[in-house]
Amino acid sequence: GAVVSQHPSRVICKSGTSVKIECRSLDFQATTMFWYRQFPKKSLMLMATSNEGSKATYEQGVEKDKFLINHASLTLSTLTVTSAHPEDSSFYICSASGTGPPYEQYFGPGTRLTVT
Amino acid sequence: AQSVSQHNHHVILSEAASLELGCNYSYGGTVNLFWYVQYPGQHLQLLLKYFSGDPLVKGIKGFEAEFIKSKFSFNLRKPSVQWSDTAEYFCAVGPDSWGKLQFGAGTQVVVTP
Repeated sequence: GAVVSQHPSRVICKSGTSVKIECRSLDFQATTMFWYRQFPKKSLMLMATSNEGSKATYEQGVEKDKFLINHASLTLSTLTVTSAHPEDSSFYICSASGTGPPYEQYFGPGTRLTVT
Repeated sequence: AQSVSQHNHHVILSEAASLELGCNYSYGGTVNLFWYVQYPGQHLQLLLKYFSGDPLVKGIKGFEAEFIKSKFSFNLRKPSVQWSDTAEYFCAVGPDSWGKLQFGAGTQVVVTP
């Protein structure tokens, strides 16, 4: 159980375009979803916390107008990278936690974004 | 500032050797502690977690970790590693009950046959 999927797994887009990444909890309801960014040889950096039906909470330094997060249902959150630039190229990972304790996070496989 | 530190960035060891990875954190108060593993080409998986109770926690695949509150540490151990333990290991700390995590920089572990 506790499977989280992401789509797409890889995406290449041109500079200035927008890209949407989906994160789904397949077999449980996720009250909270998290979006991370992982740089090569670096740790995961939390970008934002998303609660179903409410606005996402962004970490300091993360542009909320650039990284739009929507958590419309208990099984789906989306991250849209707007007006992407090459420096947005990265590995984006989502995770989801359930509706009760112990609030363990389950991670998706990640999405490799390359902006040309 | 709150932080999570992993002492080793890269560890190379032979099969059957013992492994210990250090993790220290700087949060005050109650914390939830985790070790995650990322095998090559795969997503993050939970190895073990500590929320409360016995400070010696046993996880999957023969891993264990010990929470030492006085040292703000949560070191990961495995008595005898296998080639399949080659992976990146991340310590993570959750300062609140809603699961928000801060990750350490990760330790790349390479086990040679």
